[in-house]
Amino acid sequence: DGGITQSPKYLFRKEGQNVTLSCEQNLNHDAMYWYRQDPGQGLRLIYYSQIVNDFQKGDIAEGYSVSREKKESFPLTVTSAQKNPTAFYLCASSPRQGARVDGYTFGSGTRLTVV
Amino acid sequence: DQQVKQNSPSLSVQEGRISILNCDYTNSMFDYFLWYKKYPAEGPTFLISISSIKDKNEDGRFTVFLNKSAKHLSLHIVPSQPGDSAVYFCAASRLGGTSGSRLTFGEGTQLTVNP
Repeated sequence: DGGITQSPKYLFRKEGQNVTLSCEQNLNHDAMYWYRQDPGQGLRLIYYSQIVNDFQKGDIAEGYSVSREKKESFPLTVTSAQKNPTAFYLCASSPRQGARVDGYTFGSGTRLTVV
Repeated sequence: DQQVKQNSPSLSVQEGRISILNCDYTNSMFDYFLWYKKYPAEGPTFLISISSIKDKNEDGRFTVFLNKSAKHLSLHIVPSQPGDSAVYFCAASRLGGTSGSRLTFGEGTQLTVNP
């Protein structure tokens, strides 16, 4: 079955540490996205990538970094510069620009907690 | 600047009655709108969409209405069922924009359907 896999499901980080969240898709989608969900704030876009080796900042990119070396993979690193990293992180993918956006597919998320 | 707003954080209805979820947007360049449904600790799943050239789209118990002049859309669920209890996100996109199929989400509305 095609889909998006996020790992791990739960992640605990000590203050001052960097952590990397994994996102892998086998849908052959060109575009991938990282969103963050906080209570009462909906889904806010962190970074997105429309093609391999290219990505753009979203609305809340500070304290995060990404890479897109392979079409299937879009890992997100939460750095120590991110002041409030505790949140639920969602990865998504979609067909390329101009395609129907109904094709947005989400992973099941990673809950990151800073301890 | 919140371009997509869902002003009701929660809604409670009786089983069998109609649920109406509302969404407002400010960016007149948005031309495609979607509703997603999300259960706790899972990723959102696509529910229904509407293009700006239409004012209504129906899929079974779900109907989305778009009022472009008011920059307002609504999701009607008839009849509501307990399994519909979830958070519903409104999202908007510019299909012809340079950002591709990037979606902007509202804050979400928690729907509770009571048996």
